[in-house]
Amino acid sequence: QKEVEQNSGPLSVPEGAIASLNCTYSDRGSQSFFWYRQYSGKSPELIMSIYSNGDKEDGRFTAQLNKASQYVSLLIRDSQPSDSATYLCAVNIQGGNTPLVFGKGTRLSVIA
Amino acid sequence: GAVVSQHPSRVICKSGTSVKIECRSLDFQATTMFWYRQFPKKSLMLMATSNEGSKATYEQGVEKDKFLINHASLTLSTLTVTSAHPEDSSFYICSATDRGAYGYTFGSGTRLTVV
Repeated sequence: QKEVEQNSGPLSVPEGAIASLNCTYSDRGSQSFFWYRQYSGKSPELIMSIYSNGDKEDGRFTAQLNKASQYVSLLIRDSQPSDSATYLCAVNIQGGNTPLVFGKGTRLSVIA
Repeated sequence: GAVVSQHPSRVICKSGTSVKIECRSLDFQATTMFWYRQFPKKSLMLMATSNEGSKATYEQGVEKDKFLINHASLTLSTLTVTSAHPEDSSFYICSATDRGAYGYTFGSGTRLTVV
């Protein structure tokens, strides 16, 4: 069973703090990793994609990938109340145009 | 960036009628489309995968005769919910890709209510 695991939360952080979201995956051969943000009642929105070990930064967001540990994380710096949402970790496990495997999502609440 | 337009955003229909949902890729060729449904506070559930010009592949437990998927062109896929019943009320979302591992774009979703 191909699995992607996330802590469901809720994760509460104060405004201005760093929010750290974590994800593990079961298939060592996975190549592509994505973080999506989903607001209540809306569809997922791509935040970051990462393919190589290490860090990838985009504005306030940093994705970190460690393939040896089968671990991918998302850091949100200077968290804002508007960042409050569910964050979905998704993995392309089988390669090519195959469906992403999603984690169940972590609910983040940024407290003003 | 890649954009997928999904319509309608909301639809209310009577039990027993059919509803068609459209997804269009606006600036790329969607060689593969995915259809999901999501119940309130629940995870995305993959319903089917369709490749342009081919029959859709349905996930286990999804009735292919009830949820008709057409992907006749590289920019358009449709999901038709036939003989809808109240238990079909859900949030339906499409996702498209032209390069698999390097990008999946979601439509804005359709909230279906069957009364």
